[in-house]
Amino acid sequence: TQLLEQSPQFLSIQEGENLTVYCNSSSVFSSLQWYRQEPGEGPVLLVTVVTGGEVKKLKRLTFQFGDARKDSSLHITAAQPGDTGLYLCAGSDNYGQNFVFGPGTRLSVLP
Amino acid sequence: DAGITQSPRHKVTETGTPVTLRCHQTENHRYMYWYRQDPGHGLRLIHYSYGVKDTDKGEVSDGYSVSRSKTEDFLLTLESATSSQTSVYFCAISESGTFATNEKLFFGSGTQLSVL
Repeated sequence: TQLLEQSPQFLSIQEGENLTVYCNSSSVFSSLQWYRQEPGEGPVLLVTVVTGGEVKKLKRLTFQFGDARKDSSLHITAAQPGDTGLYLCAGSDNYGQNFVFGPGTRLSVLP
Repeated sequence: DAGITQSPRHKVTETGTPVTLRCHQTENHRYMYWYRQDPGHGLRLIHYSYGVKDTDKGEVSDGYSVSRSKTEDFLLTLESATSSQTSVYFCAISESGTFATNEKLFFGSGTQLSVL
């Protein structure tokens, strides 16, 4: 069974600060996705990375897939209160199935 | 936003009673999923469907059953609810069910279930 770990579990920062959250596994994933979930809502996809070493940017968010496709990071520049939420990573095996989620990082950005 | 509706949004029930949660989609996606979300565990797959009357078990299927009689509807039933099934339940849909590249999950807003 593939497992994903995320760190930190909780993060509370001031508006304007930078932060990085991590998603790690001992298994290789064919693709990895990041979702953001706001209170009372379902997760919403932010990005999918599929190539080892791939970097994708979404405004102030930068996503990186590790060279060995076992880990990923999400970096937020100049965090804003609107970035508050639960960030979940999820990965699939080499067949594109067996999709698993990590436990999430709960981010709070204080004004 | 993807057209996914979950009902009810909140439910309180007693141990031993049957409970059915409903997921309705308007996207005509082939794959539908039921997840539960608990603190520290992320989202765990209960059951999924890859077509009408075609379903399979996920990671945490014990105590749950599902049915899909129409493309747009996917029902999750707790035959005899237990306190360990207190959770937030999410329905999700996808087009191909294969997450190798650009496939993604669209989630409903969830059902908060409390079993007392």
